Amino acid sequence: EAQVTQNPRYLITVTGKKLTVTCSQNMNHEYMSWYRQDPGLGLRQIYYSMNVEVTDKGDVPEGYKVSRKEKRNFPLILESPSPNQTSLYFCASSLTDRGQSEQYFGPGTRLTVT
Amino acid sequence: QKEVEQDPGPLSVPEGAIVSLNCTYSNSAFQYFMWYRQYSRKGPELLMYTYSSGNKEDGRFTAQVDKSSKYISLFIRDSQPSDSATYLCAMTGLIKAAGNKLTFGGGTRVLVKP
Repeated sequence: EAQVTQNPRYLITVTGKKLTVTCSQNMNHEYMSWYRQDPGLGLRQIYYSMNVEVTDKGDVPEGYKVSRKEKRNFPLILESPSPNQTSLYFCASSLTDRGQSEQYFGPGTRLTVT
Repeated sequence: QKEVEQDPGPLSVPEGAIVSLNCTYSNSAFQYFMWYRQYSRKGPELLMYTYSSGNKEDGRFTAQVDKSSKYISLFIRDSQPSDSATYLCAMTGLIKAAGNKLTFGGGTRVLVKP
């Protein structure tokens, strides 16, 4: 089954404790991205990757890191999480980086930073 | 001012009614327009996809885009309780530097009552 998977689905952590949220897709997609979803603000892009070893900032990159060493994986790293990073996070992928390429979303990771 | 505006609702309708949703946007570079449905605790799933202006119909769903007014709509005919969800409009354009970044509205929560 074609899908985007994320782990963990739920995470509660404390301020400053490094964490990684994994994202994997099995569709051989070139383009992957991370979004965060907050009430009233919709989904906002954090980082994106057009291909292996090619990543760039989205609209809200502060406090996040990413890497793309393999085509299928695109982990999101929070080196020193803070309470304002409490949010619902989605990974998405699409075949290409063109606008007509449908984006598939993962199930989401709900992160709480205390 | 947000690039994409969407009434948050909630929008409550009786079963069988027509649900009418809309978004306005400010960036004339947007060329591809999408509607996503998001159930509680799930990732967004693509419902409708439209390129440039015009109408598109798929079963009970009709999407309309009016680029001259920077206004897009989604209509759901014969609404069912299973249509109860949050509906997100999203759009992207021929902006190579941003790849396939989607700009989302805040979402409208819809409740279809039996």
